[in-house]
Amino acid sequence: GQQLNQSPQSMFIQEGEDVSMNCTSSSIFNTWLWYKQDPGEGPVLLIALYKAGELTSNGRLTAQFGITRKDSFLNISASIPSDVGIYFCAVHTGTASKLTFGTGTRLQVTL
Amino acid sequence: SAVISQKPSRDICQRGTSLTIQCQVDSQVTMMFWYRQQPGQSLTLIATANQGSEATYESGFVIDKFPISRPNLTFSTLTVSNMSPEDSSIYLCSVAVSSSNQPQHFGDGTRLSIL
Repeated sequence: GQQLNQSPQSMFIQEGEDVSMNCTSSSIFNTWLWYKQDPGEGPVLLIALYKAGELTSNGRLTAQFGITRKDSFLNISASIPSDVGIYFCAVHTGTASKLTFGTGTRLQVTL
Repeated sequence: SAVISQKPSRDICQRGTSLTIQCQVDSQVTMMFWYRQQPGQSLTLIATANQGSEATYESGFVIDKFPISRPNLTFSTLTVSNMSPEDSSIYLCSVAVSSSNQPQHFGDGTRLSIL
C-alpha cells in the first residue's frame, strides 16, 4: 500500500527555535492532513490542505501542500514546551474518507 | 468537532481472552473507523464501521479476530478476540462527519496490554 515517509524521525530543539518537518510519498494525493499526538491521547487535527500549492496557517503552525501533490511540509515557529509530541501527516486513500498515516516525527523541546 | 469517548481507557488482559471496546460520539456522524497503534508506531486502519451492516476490513485484519458493531450513527464497538501479547496496542476510534474526504477526529484510545 501507499507509504508516507516523514522526516526527520525525531528532533530535539531548544525553546524558541523554529521547526520544519516534511512528509513525502511516491503517489499523488488530493488532501494532506497534519495531526499532533500528545502522550496518552489520540491524534488532534492541526491543519487540513486541499489544493496543490496551498499554504495554510494555524497560529504558529504553517503547512504547505506540495505543488507535485506528492509531499507536504509543516513548520512551527518559536517553539514552546507544549509543542512536544508526535506529528503525523495523513492522506485520504481509497474511498470514504479512509486515512493513511505517515511514520511520524517525534519532537522534543528543551528549555 | 464531535466529542468522542472510548471505554475502557486502558486494560490489562490475559492471553486467550477477548475485550470489547466502546466508542460513543456526542452527535450523529456518517463515518466511524477503528485504528491500531502498536508501541512506538504509526496508526494503521483496521476497518470502517458501517451502520447496520458488516464492517469493511483492511488487508491483514479479519472479522473473526476484530468483530465490529455499529448499531446507530453515534456508537460502535470493536472486540479484540483470543488475545495474544502481539495484540498489545492502542486501539483508536475516529469519526468523520461525511464520506467525502473530510478530516477524521479521534478519541483518546484504549491502551491494551496482554499478559
